[in-house]
Amino acid sequence: AQSVTQLGSHVSVSEGALVLLRCNYSSSVPPYLFWYVQYPNQGLQLLLKYTTGATLVKGINGFEAEFKKSETSFHLTKPSAHMSDAAEYFCAVRNNAGNNRKLIWGLGTSLAVNP
Amino acid sequence: EPEVTQTPSHQVTQMGQEVILRCVPISNHLYFYWYRQILGQKVEFLVSFYNNEISEKSEIFDDQFSVERPDGSNFTLKIRSTKLEDSAMYFCASSIGSGGSTGEQYFGPGTRLTVT
Repeated sequence: AQSVTQLGSHVSVSEGALVLLRCNYSSSVPPYLFWYVQYPNQGLQLLLKYTTGATLVKGINGFEAEFKKSETSFHLTKPSAHMSDAAEYFCAVRNNAGNNRKLIWGLGTSLAVNP
Repeated sequence: EPEVTQTPSHQVTQMGQEVILRCVPISNHLYFYWYRQILGQKVEFLVSFYNNEISEKSEIFDDQFSVERPDGSNFTLKIRSTKLEDSAMYFCASSIGSGGSTGEQYFGPGTRLTVT
């Protein structure tokens, strides 16, 4: 069975500081990994994804994440936080084989950016 | 840019009542999904739908739940007799395909269901 653990339900950074949101996954098959962002009163928007190939993936709004198989991690980073990055961030995993296409989600991390 | 839409944005209903949550997926997408998020908990998969039939469902998706694609554009989730524990944000999603890059799921803004 697949699962996702996001360490830290709340992360607070200063504007301009590094953002690091942690995600570890468990999967018995090669996973597809995703980060979604949810701004207040809005839906879930895809930030970036890893399917195959390059393990460092870049997404929208300056975010990137690195797939580390040995550590079963897919941490999300951004070099310099902006006030507009304040949102809820969700890591998710999906089976990349067979007919199982559902996303398995982490609990989410709420990012606050302080001026 | 095409997007998934959901109506209503907020639905309040009494326990035991039937509710229908509506979604309009992106027009050329073939796979449809419902997820829900109870306040403070993880987003949970409910059901996926392809070619006019359910392709997968979770344990949550019991006989009280049903999905339908009544026409070429809408995708609905019906809860036959709502319970207090059905109170949650319900998200609809759609994807072009099921694998690789075509399997990327696009989400609607959600419907907040409150059962009193």
